[in-house]
Amino acid sequence: DTAVSQTPKYLVTQMGNDKSIKCEQNLGHDTMYWYKQDSKKFLKIMFSYNNKELIINETVPNRFSPKSPDKAHLNLHINSLELGDSAVYFCASSQGYRSGETQYFGPGTRLLVL
Amino acid sequence: AQSVTQPDIHITVSEGASLELRCNYSYGATPYLFWYVQSPGQGLQLLLKYFSGDTLVQGIKGFEAEFKRSQSSFNLRKPSVHWSDAAEYFCAVGQTGGGNKLTFGTGTQLKVEL
Repeated sequence: DTAVSQTPKYLVTQMGNDKSIKCEQNLGHDTMYWYKQDSKKFLKIMFSYNNKELIINETVPNRFSPKSPDKAHLNLHINSLELGDSAVYFCASSQGYRSGETQYFGPGTRLLVL
Repeated sequence: AQSVTQPDIHITVSEGASLELRCNYSYGATPYLFWYVQSPGQGLQLLLKYFSGDTLVQGIKGFEAEFKRSQSSFNLRKPSVHWSDAAEYFCAVGQTGGGNKLTFGTGTQLKVEL
């Protein structure tokens, strides 16, 4: 059983389109995250939710909107895609959001905007 | 603000040789420190983490890391590298202010020569 899963694994789309990436965890965790890994492999946190409530909201364009329908799911919707959005997006989860809680990562979604 | 520096972008070692990957952090308080590994096309897997106590931390796959406060370092070591260890290695620091936000270094790509 995959602990943290993401769909789709690959996403190729045109500039200006709207797309969503889905994330699900079956670990029973309360906290979920979205990270962006750019072409230089630099990883940066975007958002964090705990029990469907927004905890961390980094400086991210408002074209990115996370949605957590329940604590096992955290989806990422991106409006008006731009070339610079091309990256690998990782979802992660942890038991809670106390400092130091181990984060478990999904396999990533590779987004290419043409 | 917290930051992590991984001075070595690429490292090549021969199989069976020892390995040390460097990590320096900047953080005002006692940090939470992590090492993650990312195999090609995969998500991140936790190797080990340091919170407090014993400064030598043992992890999975035969890795260990030593926290040195005086040097602000948390270097990862392995006595004998296997070809399957070829991957990208990320050091990360977690803030203690809640939210479980991780700040990652830029990664070190390890190549293992047979």
